[in-house]
Amino acid sequence: KAGVTQTPRYLIKTRGQQVTLSCSPISGHRSVSWYQQTPGQGLQFLFEYFSETQRNKGNFPGRFSGRQFSNSRSEMNVSTLELGDSALYLCASSYGQGALGELFFGEGSRLTVL
Amino acid sequence: TQLLEQSPQFLSIQEGENLTVYCNSSSVFSSLQWYRQEPGEGPVLLVTVVTGGEVKKLKRLTFQFGDARKDSSLHITAAQTGDTGLYLCAGGNSWGKLQFGAGTQVVVTP
Repeated sequence: KAGVTQTPRYLIKTRGQQVTLSCSPISGHRSVSWYQQTPGQGLQFLFEYFSETQRNKGNFPGRFSGRQFSNSRSEMNVSTLELGDSALYLCASSYGQGALGELFFGEGSRLTVL
Repeated sequence: TQLLEQSPQFLSIQEGENLTVYCNSSSVFSSLQWYRQEPGEGPVLLVTVVTGGEVKKLKRLTFQFGDARKDSSLHITAAQTGDTGLYLCAGGNSWGKLQFGAGTQVVVTP
């Protein structure tokens, strides 16, 4: 079956702009989590959605937001971009919610902020 | 501040050598997962350990969960170039989010 699909794969923005990233989970998976990956910091948890509801949220400013649609597809938005937002944004889906199941990751969206 | 500390941060060895990477925390987890990430790809799950003291073997990879469920190790025997990648540990509890360490970059040279 198809894996987790993230779009776009690469994008370049300038400071102050906003960006929307998309994630299509594996068919049948209802949980989608988002992570920010930067060198030396590893994967920092952004948020988790399950059945269109945000279940967990990481320690990121309000400029980072997300949502999940009825078909489990998810989007995350970053407004007023800063240089420090440059990172690989990973989406992961799982069948259930919480932190005990296997996460299936997409290839990520690499954001560069100039 | 990382909840899970991984060491070493970087490891370079030759094919055929053994290596061990560590994952430590002051917190107790219900489960500990290990993922491997290759360049341009997302992390892929290698193993999940859930019982204190548990040891799991996956071919040349041996995973151990500490008795107190706060730490874990990954040992690779006779490393191959295909073992090259970023190894990430992640601790989880049923009520919360999966917490990842910063990773150990392993490079295996021919």
